[in-house]
This record gives sequence, structure tokens and C-alpha cells, in this order.
Amino acid sequence: KQEVTQIPAALSVPEGENLVLNCSFTDSAIYNLQWFRQDPGKGLTSLLLIQSSQREQTSGRLNASLDKSSGRSTLYIAASQPGDSATYLCAVKRETSGSRLTFGEGTQLTVNP
Amino acid sequence: NAGVTQTPKFQVLKTGQSMTLQCAQDMNHNSMYWYRQDPGMGLRLIYYSASEGTTDKGEVPNGYNVSRLNKREFSLRLESAAPSQTSVYFCASSRGDSEAFFGQGTRLTVV
Repeated sequence: KQEVTQIPAALSVPEGENLVLNCSFTDSAIYNLQWFRQDPGKGLTSLLLIQSSQREQTSGRLNASLDKSSGRSTLYIAASQPGDSATYLCAVKRETSGSRLTFGEGTQLTVNP
Repeated sequence: NAGVTQTPKFQVLKTGQSMTLQCAQDMNHNSMYWYRQDPGMGLRLIYYSASEGTTDKGEVPNGYNVSRLNKREFSLRLESAAPSQTSVYFCASSRGDSEAFFGQGTRLTVV
């Protein structure tokens, strides 16, 4: 059974700092990995999707990497801003699952002005 | 550009009552999903539909039923609500194995 772990569970940083969020998964037979952002009381917003054949994806100040063999992904946020405060979730899709996602519990990020 | 739309946004039910959560997507996606989100448990898959006319159980299907009404709509029904079903429910859709998009959620309280 696929298990997804996100460490740390919570992170507080000063504005302007570069930071890394971690995601690990137990079964390396994945099809893709997706990073989401969730604001309090809101739905999930897709940030980046990395296919299993890719090593990284970038969108603005966000960069996600994938090391499938070691079962790890990182989300790098450059020059953090208070507006980046949210919970960040990673989710993996198995190769033969019929397209279901398995989620980690998320990292709650607070960026202090 | 609606994406995935869920109704209602909030609902309070008494134990034993029934209700249907509605979900519709306008992105022509084949696959649709229902998840529930609980503190300390993360998001767990209830049911999913890989294509119109098919549905499959996820991790936590007990107490729920689903209907894939057409390609756009996927509903979740609670036949006899229980306090353990108090949760936030999310509908999502994707084109096969590509990027998944989520609705804004339905916050359900069963008293």
C-alpha cells in the first residue's frame, strides 16, 4: 500500500526566505506526483504536476523535483511571501491504480512579515 | 471558467437523514473522484469514476453511494447520515492520469 509522508508538519519562516518542503512515498511505481496548495476553509489548488519520467517542474517562484528511485519529492519556494502561507499537500498517482491519488497530510507553512 | 463546482457548500444533518452532494465539471474530464478530509487523516478516497458509466470503491466507501449521471456530473449520497460522516467533502476531476482539479468543498456536520 502506498504511503505518503510530508515533513515537517508545520513550518514558520520570515518573509524573503527560501524554503524546501519534503514529500516521501513508499512505492516508487508511480505515474506522477502533484503538489497542491490549500488555504484555510478552501479547496485544493494545483501547483505543479511532475510525470514519473521528469526530474523537475518550475512555475514562477516554485520548483518541484522528483527522485522516483528514492521515493522523494521536494517543493522549493524562492523568496517567500506572506501570501504563500497555506498548507501544501503532495499526492502520488500509482502506475496501475486507475488514476487514484494518495495524499500526504500536508505541511502548514506560515510566512511572517 | 468554473472548473469543478460542488453544491451545497455547507450542510447540517441530523443522524439518520439522507442527502446528496452534487458535483459538476466543465473540463470534459473522464475521471471524477470523491474525497473526504479529516484532521489527522488527510484526504481519503471514497469513490471514483474512471469514465462515464463506471464507478469503483476507494479507501472509505462504507455508508456512501455514488452516481455518475453523465460525463459532467458525479454525485455522492449519504443514505443514513452518522456523526462519523462529519467531514469536508471534495470532488475532483482529471483527464485520465493527468492533473487533478478540485472543487471548493462541502462542509458537512452530522449531529
